[in-house]
Amino acid sequence: GAVVSQHPSWVICKSGTSVKIECRSLDFQATTMFWYRQFPKQSLMLMATSNEGSKATYEQGVEKDKFLINHASLTLSTLTVTSAHPEDSSFYICSAVAQQGNQETQYFGPGTRLLVL
Amino acid sequence: GQSLEQPSEVTAVEGAIVQINCTYQTSGFYGLSWYQQHDGGAPTFLSYNALDGLEETGRFSSFLSRSDSYGYLLLQELQMKDSASYFCAVGGDSSYKLIFGSGTRLLVRP
Repeated sequence: GAVVSQHPSWVICKSGTSVKIECRSLDFQATTMFWYRQFPKQSLMLMATSNEGSKATYEQGVEKDKFLINHASLTLSTLTVTSAHPEDSSFYICSAVAQQGNQETQYFGPGTRLLVL
Repeated sequence: GQSLEQPSEVTAVEGAIVQINCTYQTSGFYGLSWYQQHDGGAPTFLSYNALDGLEETGRFSSFLSRSDSYGYLLLQELQMKDSASYFCAVGGDSSYKLIFGSGTRLLVRP
């Protein structure tokens, strides 16, 4: 089956530092990946769509200069939280789209917990 | 605006059947998906309906009525491990750019 990994699984950092999160599709190529954020007991909120070889598309209200996305290859997308602050503490989840026959299915990574002190 | 409504919590006993409803209001529609998420984990894909009717996958079934903007997830022969949050999601701009509902917390009791 399609597997998506994320690294690191959790991060604790000081306020003001930048944090990079990697999302990899392990056994398939993904031209499109998505980045979500989930606060405790809330739903997943789409932050941005990451397209291989082009600029990411950000959802309304998401600061593109704060959340830098790079999709440099068909198996890797990175999210960098720049100058992180305590309010950026959240569960960040990526997903990748896998083509299976005529159907496109979205598979999620295990998530990265970010705690900014 | 775009919204998906589902109950916040459902409780059922082991072995029973439970139905989780989802109504949606979105500008576009490219199918209804269901995801399961255990506490501390990432969502896992359960099912997808692009057309009206019932899709069955083992103990889980999902139904869609596009004319009613409504779907449901049916879980049969409930097991303790089914205790989790269940999210419905609609493809708004495409089949895979998903808008998620707020989630339904299912608690299965012995």
